[in-house]
Amino acid sequence: ETGVTQTPRHLVMGMTNKKSLKCEQHLGHNAMYWYKQSAKKPLELMFVYSLEERVENNSVPSRFSPECPNSSHLFLHLHTLQPEDSALYLCASSQVGQLDTDTQYFGPGTRLTVL
Amino acid sequence: SQQGEEDPQALSIQEGENATMNCSYKTSINNLQWYRQNSGRGLVHLILIRSNEREKHSGRLRVTLDTSKKSSSLLITASQAADTASYFCATLPRGSTLGRLYFGRGTQLTVWP
Repeated sequence: ETGVTQTPRHLVMGMTNKKSLKCEQHLGHNAMYWYKQSAKKPLELMFVYSLEERVENNSVPSRFSPECPNSSHLFLHLHTLQPEDSALYLCASSQVGQLDTDTQYFGPGTRLTVL
Repeated sequence: SQQGEEDPQALSIQEGENATMNCSYKTSINNLQWYRQNSGRGLVHLILIRSNEREKHSGRLRVTLDTSKKSSSLLITASQAADTASYFCATLPRGSTLGRLYFGRGTQLTVWP
């Protein structure tokens, strides 16, 4: 166990559904991340919440909406997704600000299938 | 792109052999990290090497870094079937304040018993 949990582990949804992915870290870190991993592609950083600042990848569609209510919890709200959004969604956390580290700890991921 | 690029994309070896994976990147870095991912799971951090280090060891892992060539290599000695996984390099750009790592596409390592 890495100290980062994600629920659900698997999710199948239709294009008109609304669902949320949840991530929780028990490591006392101050930064959390959402990544999308599709087959044969590099890991794509979607959102970063770091030191209460949110940074997003401008190429992420607005049908993905992150929420970070506190430093331990991170959500990814999904609505009107497309089949090409099917992927493994990974959450990670790290302690930003420590020189030369920023090791990221990943959750097990949510395998999302959009029908 | 600041992403690292691993080479080869896939590597297949027998148990007991050594496995070498390479990573190239484009920008100045604070550090370079290697991660491992078992199929359909999250990534697990293996080892970190700082920009002022040239070599680092951890168990059966040996990582080298050549900042002049902007490249790194990961050597797994005496491989085991349990080493079968995807391996990713990730770079932390110099001056990064948000902890943003840039990952490559990974090398898929298969170790046959």
